[in-house]
Amino acid sequence: ETGVTQTPRHLVMGMTNKKSLKCEQHLGHNAMYWYKQSAKKPLELMFVYNFKEQTENNSVPSRFSPECPNSSHLFLHLHTLQPEDSALYLCASSRRTQSYEQYFGPGTRLTVT
Amino acid sequence: GQNIDQPTEMTATEGAIVQINCTYQTSGFNGLFWYQQHAGEAPTFLSYNVLDGLEEKGRFSSFLSRSKGYSYLLLKELQMKDSASYLCAVRVDGDSGAGSYQLTFGKGTKLSVIP
Repeated sequence: ETGVTQTPRHLVMGMTNKKSLKCEQHLGHNAMYWYKQSAKKPLELMFVYNFKEQTENNSVPSRFSPECPNSSHLFLHLHTLQPEDSALYLCASSRRTQSYEQYFGPGTRLTVT
Repeated sequence: GQNIDQPTEMTATEGAIVQINCTYQTSGFNGLFWYQQHAGEAPTFLSYNVLDGLEEKGRFSSFLSRSKGYSYLLLKELQMKDSASYLCAVRVDGDSGAGSYQLTFGKGTKLSVIP
């Protein structure tokens, strides 16, 4: 247990569906991140939030829409996805002033059919 | 741009020592991380180097040379449970200031420990 939880752990959705991934951190951190991990590829940073404000968007398609209502919760809203979006989506959090490391959640394994 | 290279796979024997190398070419370098990731699980933090030299933590050590853009992770007294992927990641601080930063990851090195 890293103090970062993600739900659901597995998700299968059709290309016309709308779904949301949820991340919650219980560590008192102020920064949260979404990453995508595909087979044979490095972890790719998607979005960064600092004190609920989005600070980075690494050219992610608009079919992925993040939401950060407070420093403890992060969502990734999905709509009209493509099969190539199938991957493991990892959430992470950090607090720079007290720790250099990012703590990762267990991830959501997404399959788009 | 950012470019991080590490070997795709390595195999080593239980009880032995293995060194996993990582080379990088990045802008705004502010430290290098090593993470361990078992299959189907989240990455977990192993080490962080920001200054040149060796950091030792139990069976694991990590080395950094900023001038050469080079790091390695050294695992001693290998155990079967060390079979995992080892991810090298370079830190770049975010434009927003304190609190957030970016990690750029390599593809990871899959280590198999055999009896």
